[in-house]
Amino acid sequence: GAVVSQHPSRVICKSGTSVKIECRSLDFQATTMFWYRQFPKQSLMLMATSNEGSKATYEQGVEKDKFLINHASLTLSTLTVTSAHPEDSSFYICSAGTPSGANVLTFGAGSRLTVL
Amino acid sequence: AQSVSQHNHHVILSEAASLELGCNYSYGGTVNLFWYVQYPGQHLQLLLKYFSGDPLVKGIKGFEAEFIKSKFSFNLRKPSVQWSDTAEYFCALRPSGNTGKLIFGQGTTLQVKP
Repeated sequence: GAVVSQHPSRVICKSGTSVKIECRSLDFQATTMFWYRQFPKQSLMLMATSNEGSKATYEQGVEKDKFLINHASLTLSTLTVTSAHPEDSSFYICSAGTPSGANVLTFGAGSRLTVL
Repeated sequence: AQSVSQHNHHVILSEAASLELGCNYSYGGTVNLFWYVQYPGQHLQLLLKYFSGDPLVKGIKGFEAEFIKSKFSFNLRKPSVQWSDTAEYFCALRPSGNTGKLIFGQGTTLQVKP
């Protein structure tokens, strides 16, 4: 079946630095990828929709300059948290849909970011 | 506004007990509905989905859910839970025709005691 891989699974960084998280579709091509954020004991909140070859679409309230998304190929989307602060600490999860239609999304294992 | 509400935040059951997790949604149009499970330390996995047709859908691991349009509900059921069902369960909706944007409920933590 379809597999989505995220890297790194855990990252700790200092406040003010930038962190890049990768999301790869391993055995299929994904024209669309989705980035979610999950706070402890809470649900997943969609941050943005990443479209291959075009600009990402951000949800209301998500700072696009803070969370940079690049979807340069059909198998890779990256999320860069710029100038990270402790409040950015969270669990970031990506998911991907297939070119034939994202009827069922496949989720990555998530990346836990801790900003000191 | 589109939203999903899961009534039970934390459920504790003994093995072999029956399970029903509530899910209600708010959306004016046609929706696709999903239940996902997240086992400790693992990624989200699809349990089952409803797109159209028979409102009673069966998923993996003995789970099923019933779509009741008049009640805007999509409750998850399992007749007899196992210790291995201990996990976080999320109900989600996607407006029909949308490419993939999912709106998740708050999640329900299920703890099954052996």
